[in-house]
Amino acid sequence: ETGVTQSPTHLIKTRGQQVTLRCSSQSGHNTVSWYQQALGQGPQFIFQYYREEENGRGNFPPRFSGLQFPNYSSELNVNALELDDSALYLCASSLTGDGEKLFFGSGTQLSVL
Amino acid sequence: GENVEQHPSTLSVQEGDSAVIKCTYSDSASNYFPWYKQELGKRPQLIIDIRSNVGEKKDQRIAVTLNKTAKHFSLHITETQPEDSAVYFCAADRGTGRRALTFGSGTRLQVQP
Repeated sequence: ETGVTQSPTHLIKTRGQQVTLRCSSQSGHNTVSWYQQALGQGPQFIFQYYREEENGRGNFPPRFSGLQFPNYSSELNVNALELDDSALYLCASSLTGDGEKLFFGSGTQLSVL
Repeated sequence: GENVEQHPSTLSVQEGDSAVIKCTYSDSASNYFPWYKQELGKRPQLIIDIRSNVGEKKDQRIAVTLNKTAKHFSLHITETQPEDSAVYFCAADRGTGRRALTFGSGTRLQVQP
């Protein structure tokens, strides 16, 4: 059984640029969620994808968008990067209908300069 | 929306002592309460979770208690070991067809050998 994997591990961008982060869900999981974790804080829910559609969204602006692919992998896209977007972005996968325990990847550390 | 408060923010104990971390939540509809352990630079790991239909759950040295009336839940670690040192996060969720966790701000636990 493979765990949740994310790429890249680190990324540096400048303000105004766009970024794409990638996530492969744990084997057998069909749902992917994305969280933003600022330094010293708990993760904040961005959105969740199930059956390739957004299935719930947190308090994040539309410039945060995502995709889920038929193999359940996912992308998080952030447009018009701002300095405050600097954070650890965590992907979590789960199996909808199975108690929905979330299992996290190691994250992508995004720095916006 | 849901709001989760976590205390204390830091906790230092001697090896072998017990540690208790407390969380309160605001949304009475929340029914799922997981706890995650995050070591420095690593992914959050699910260590135990509890649903609102039970008041206590144990797994070896770890236990979680839930008081639905008071809307608070606690993590208890007995016989602490240096490898228990990490940041612990509580979270809450309504569990209505999707998993959108609201996390507390974290507790940094340090176990002194």
